[in-house]
Order: sequence, then C-alpha cells, then structure tokens
Amino acid sequence: NAGVTQTPKFRILKIGQSMTLQCAQDMNHNYMYWYRQDPGMGLKLIYYSVGAGITDKGEVPNGYNVSRSTTEDFPLRLELAAPSQTSVYFCASSYPSQVNAGIDTQYFGPGTRLTVL
Amino acid sequence: DQQVKQNSPSLSVQEGRISILNCDYTNSMFDYFLWYKKYPAEGPTFLISISSIKDKNEDGRFTVFLNKSAKHLSLHIVPSQPGDSAVYFCAASPNSGNTPLVFGKGTRLSVIA
Repeated sequence: NAGVTQTPKFRILKIGQSMTLQCAQDMNHNYMYWYRQDPGMGLKLIYYSVGAGITDKGEVPNGYNVSRSTTEDFPLRLELAAPSQTSVYFCASSYPSQVNAGIDTQYFGPGTRLTVL
Repeated sequence: DQQVKQNSPSLSVQEGRISILNCDYTNSMFDYFLWYKKYPAEGPTFLISISSIKDKNEDGRFTVFLNKSAKHLSLHIVPSQPGDSAVYFCAASPNSGNTPLVFGKGTRLSVIA
C-alpha cells in the first residue's frame, strides 16, 4: 500500500492564482481530512469528509473548497490564492473503529509546501 | 482559544535519559488522546494513544499518562535515543478519533548524544 499520497510536494503561486492540491489513499478509508500547518503552530483542520459525497467545514475553511467524488480521492481547491495561505498542507485518512474497538488513528500524507507571493 | 496546549515549544535531553513531554487540554468532552511524531519534510505519524478509561498506556519505550481530573497528559520516552529527535504533537478527540482531531502546537524534542 502507498498509504496517503499528496501532489505536488512544493508549489509557488502568485496572488490570485488558483490550484488544486491532490490527495489519494489506497487503504479504503472512509474518513479524509485536510489540515494546514503554519510555522510554530499545530495542525488546523480545513475540511473533512466522512465518505464519498459528504464534506464538512473544519476550523479554517475560508478560501478553500473540497470535493469527494470517490473514496480514494479528496482534492483541495484554492480559488484565489492569498499570502495568508502560505503553509504546509497535510491530507490524512482514517477508518472508523467498531464500537469499543479502540482509538482510530489518522494516517498522514507527506505534505504539500505552498508559498503564495 | 486553544483547547489543546503544549506549553513547551522545545526540550533537550541527553541520550539515555527520560524525555517528558506535557500536554494540557481544556475541553472536558475530550475522551481520546493521541501523540504524533513528525520529522522535517514528512507528515505526522501516529505514536501512541490513550482513552479516558485508562490512566496509562505503554508501548515499548513510550508511555502516555493521563490525569483526567487535571486535564493533563504526558508522554514519557525512556531511554531517549537520537532518533527520537522530532516534533511531538498532542491531539485530542471527543470520541474514538474518527472525528477531526484537535492538535497542540507541538514540542520539538532534541536528544543529544
């Protein structure tokens, strides 16, 4: 299994440009997440999805959009890039445990480092 | 308003000694707690977890302690090794973890040989 993969690894955007960060997982996980990590900060949730066709906002959704048309893929779209979106973006996935079966763990991709100038 | 706090941004420990990383939380609804380890240019990887029905969980050199009344948990690494040098994130969830986790800011551990 490749686990969670993210492309691209690095990207530089100009203000106002748009791009899509790709995320895919091959573990048949229902749940997928997008986080961003700013320097010296923890991970903040942007959007998440509990299954194909279902998405929900996280803590910092403004300026982003997501879609989940398949179980495997969860792309993150930036429509009008702003310098405040300079960050490292992590995608993660997890599979819900059976009741009392233990704690789910989220598996993370390697991240996409985005700079907006 | 930070719900999960890691008040020490960094920690240096000698190889072979114990490393203790601390985490405090404010939300009494949190029932599940996880530690993630992150190396530079990589995504976080799961290390160890604990649910609120326990006060201790051990996995090899890693032990997590939970004091629910104090809303405090700690990660002990003993003995510390140079390969343990990384950023450690504490995370919490109100259920089994398949809802989004709330992360602390992380503590950078440096283990000095």
